[in-house]
Amino acid sequence: AQTVTQSQPEMSVQEAETVTLSCTYDTSESDYYLFWYKQPPSRQMILVIRQEAYKQQNATENRFSVNFQKAAKSFSLKISDSQLGDAAMYFCAYRSFGATNKLIFGTGTLLAVQP
Amino acid sequence: GAVVSQHPSRVICKSGTSVKIECRSLDFQATTMFWYRQFPKQSLMLMATSNEGSKATYEQGVEKDKFLINHASLTLSTLTVTSAHPEDSSFYICSARGEGVGSRYGYTFGSGTRLTVV
Repeated sequence: AQTVTQSQPEMSVQEAETVTLSCTYDTSESDYYLFWYKQPPSRQMILVIRQEAYKQQNATENRFSVNFQKAAKSFSLKISDSQLGDAAMYFCAYRSFGATNKLIFGTGTLLAVQP
Repeated sequence: GAVVSQHPSRVICKSGTSVKIECRSLDFQATTMFWYRQFPKQSLMLMATSNEGSKATYEQGVEKDKFLINHASLTLSTLTVTSAHPEDSSFYICSARGEGVGSRYGYTFGSGTRLTVV
């Protein structure tokens, strides 16, 4: 079975600085998707970024980028120019390649942004 | 973009009663719906997966008779917590996958329901 591990329960970053959230996963599959979701205090889950395992190029969405290391099974999220609105719980998630497969979530990292 | 409307956002019920939570896909057909439970400061735990017109598939340890899931149409799925008890108090979130919308790779989440059983 696949597992997702987030080893940082809490992180803190100064406004305008850069922070990296870690995520590792375990799988025997070669094709899959990886995601980072943000859950602010409203608890609405928001997709931040996604990565297809067959793509070597790291995904980027504005200030958010990932460092995808397939061999190491690592999928970290970098947030540049951190903003107060980035404060939230961040979940790393894995999904098998099948169309209707479930998301497997990590335990989450609570990110605080200091003004 | 894809939107899933989840209601109610908050509900308080008495122990022993049943509560129904609805999730509607507003601008796409939700072929698959996932129901999660989230305790404070914890991750999302998948309870069950339902495909439109089929019986739900429950995760190990989830009581089928307590958490009834109906996915009778492509735009509506419901979770009914039957004979609720205080230990069922939690945050419940639905997540939908549909065809032809931007949620092709990721899934669209409802805004969640905070259930308190007193």
